[in-house]
Amino acid sequence: AQKITQTQPGMFVQEKEAVTLDCTYDTSDPSYGLFWYKQPSSGEMIFLIYQGSYDQQNATEGRYSLNFQKARKSANLVISASQLGDSAMYFCAMREEGNYGNNRLAFGKGNQVVVIP
Amino acid sequence: DSGVTQTPKHLITATGQRVTLRCSPRSGDLSVYWYQQSLDQGLQFLIQYYNGEERAKGNILERFSAQQFPDLHSELNLSSLELGDSALYFCASSVRGTVAQDTQYFGPGTRLTVL
Repeated sequence: AQKITQTQPGMFVQEKEAVTLDCTYDTSDPSYGLFWYKQPSSGEMIFLIYQGSYDQQNATEGRYSLNFQKARKSANLVISASQLGDSAMYFCAMREEGNYGNNRLAFGKGNQVVVIP
Repeated sequence: DSGVTQTPKHLITATGQRVTLRCSPRSGDLSVYWYQQSLDQGLQFLIQYYNGEERAKGNILERFSAQQFPDLHSELNLSSLELGDSALYFCASSVRGTVAQDTQYFGPGTRLTVL
């Protein structure tokens, strides 16, 4: 079963505007972590932001913020003031506390973002 | 730069061959993970090692094996290669690998092409 769902088609966003990337997840584990990674065309995977299931506040890291709605099982990434360098594929991932020592990440299919000047 | 290094960056080989991918984790990280990224399967977890011991196994084929050495670097061995093994192979590392908030930092990847 798909644990992470990212269904938006490729997105074009104007430079300096904000963009929201949708991510929904499926888990019955009460303790889990949600991560967003960026993969530019060069291929590397860059960690952006983390949200824990018990965190009371939405995570923020610079221009990145996470709109975490636990009841709806969604963890949308918001990129504010888009820059040309934000053009990339963005992946949502989840780690379930589950089995002790098992820290595997389950990834979604990704959201493609292209920032236009 | 995440601090995780992977070699080689690119690898081109023929079907039936065997290759070894190498990964050095960030300084201080005890856990190493291997992931495969392909167009049809997306990003798939293969295997995790923690301080030299296998901790978790994912969708790793029997033709694939891995190990983590005392200096904590890891190697992923792929044998009897098939065309479908062509993919980007990532290594990631984290401090402990046992708690939900343990962030995994990825290396630049090894792009394997099987001809």
